[in-house]
Amino acid sequence: QSALTQPASVSGSPGQSITISCTGTSSDVGAYGYVSWYQQLPGKVPKLLIYDVSNRPSGVSIRFSGSKSGNTASLTISGLQAEDEADYYCSSDAGSGTPVLFGGGTKLTVL
Amino acid sequence: EVQLVESGGGLVQPGGSLRLSCAASGFNFGNYAMNWVRQAPGKGLEWVSGISASGGGTRYADSVKGRFTISRDNFKNMLYLQMSTLRVEDAALYYCAKDLHFGQQLSYYCDYWGQGTLVTVSS
Repeated sequence: QSALTQPASVSGSPGQSITISCTGTSSDVGAYGYVSWYQQLPGKVPKLLIYDVSNRPSGVSIRFSGSKSGNTASLTISGLQAEDEADYYCSSDAGSGTPVLFGGGTKLTVL
Repeated sequence: EVQLVESGGGLVQPGGSLRLSCAASGFNFGNYAMNWVRQAPGKGLEWVSGISASGGGTRYADSVKGRFTISRDNFKNMLYLQMSTLRVEDAALYYCAKDLHFGQQLSYYCDYWGQGTLVTVSS
């Protein structure tokens, strides 16, 4: 089992929307509806943004949304703000073996 | 307020052992599954192990299976990770994390995280 594939970096200007992809296989992302996304601000612990592909925990801004198509999940951040600058990680159930995999992380830069 | 406080990290030689602890408060510990997630310095997240609310079900990443053991004490509100036969690649900040959903089963969604305890493996 390999880690899920995310772009190393993405960038956008304030007010814009950006999308971060998370590509797995038919054994993980494609097989289950159990994809989540985390935000890790510099020097901070991870924060759960999205679970079950597209659900937001209480308190998470509606600017964060998730989706999935086939073996690829996506996180979209709309109305980009400076405080969104962080590392973003996806994760997915993976069945047998290691039961959950993380992506390598994507560094978001707000220009 | 949910609080998770890890302890037990430190410097250990390759092949050595270490026991991590996590003290939980601010929620009904015995009603939630728990997880350990690690992060090597400057690297990404890696899920390590999880345990059901009762402690009867445990899961491990392939990278630690057979070397690490997760356990919990619901009377003391404590989570543990016994690590043995440690390797250089096990060096990381180890986070204790609460599972999102109320109930027995692991969902692997972590809604509260401790600050982590640092494990260094070096000769």
